[in-house]
Amino acid sequence: KQEVTQIPAALSVPEGENLVLNCSFTDSAIYNLQWFRQDPGKGLTSLLLIQSSQREQTSGRLNASLDKSSGRSTLYIAASQPGDSATYLCAVKADGQNFVFGPGTRLSVLP
Amino acid sequence: EAQVTQNPRYLITVTGKKLTVTCSQNMNHEYMSWYRQDPGLGLRQIYYSMNVEATDKGDVPEGYKVSRKEKRNFPLILESPSPNQTSLYFCASSLTRTGIMNTEAFFGQGTRLTVV
Repeated sequence: KQEVTQIPAALSVPEGENLVLNCSFTDSAIYNLQWFRQDPGKGLTSLLLIQSSQREQTSGRLNASLDKSSGRSTLYIAASQPGDSATYLCAVKADGQNFVFGPGTRLSVLP
Repeated sequence: EAQVTQNPRYLITVTGKKLTVTCSQNMNHEYMSWYRQDPGLGLRQIYYSMNVEATDKGDVPEGYKVSRKEKRNFPLILESPSPNQTSLYFCASSLTRTGIMNTEAFFGQGTRLTVV
């Protein structure tokens, strides 16, 4: 059964720093991996979608990479801002259309 | 605007009183699903639907029912809610086509349910 983990569970950085969030999955037979942002008590906002055939995707200050063979993805956030404070979730689509989510990384960017 | 809409956003109810949380999407997606999110447990899938009249259990289906009579709607039904169903619920949808499995998921804004 696919399992997804995220490290670290929580991260606090000063504004302006570059940072990396990690996501690992146990079964490399995935169709895609999606990174989401969740603000407290709110819904999930899709940030980046990486297909299984891709190595990375970029959107603004965000860059996500995928190494399917090793079961890893990273989300790189450049020049972090207080508005980036949120919980970041990764999810993999494996069998069928079902997503398996990681537990999330809670990010705090301090002004 | 492409979106998944859930209602209500917040709900407090009493044990045993049947309730329905609605979910509607305007993207003509075949696939829809329900998740619950609990502290320390993350997002867990309750039920999913591959298309109209095709539903199946996820990881935590006990105490829930769903129906998919129309493509755009996928309501979540709690026949007899209990306090352990207090949670944050999310509906999601994505496009499904034969041979195309790598589609993006869209999520609703969530429904915070409290059962007392």
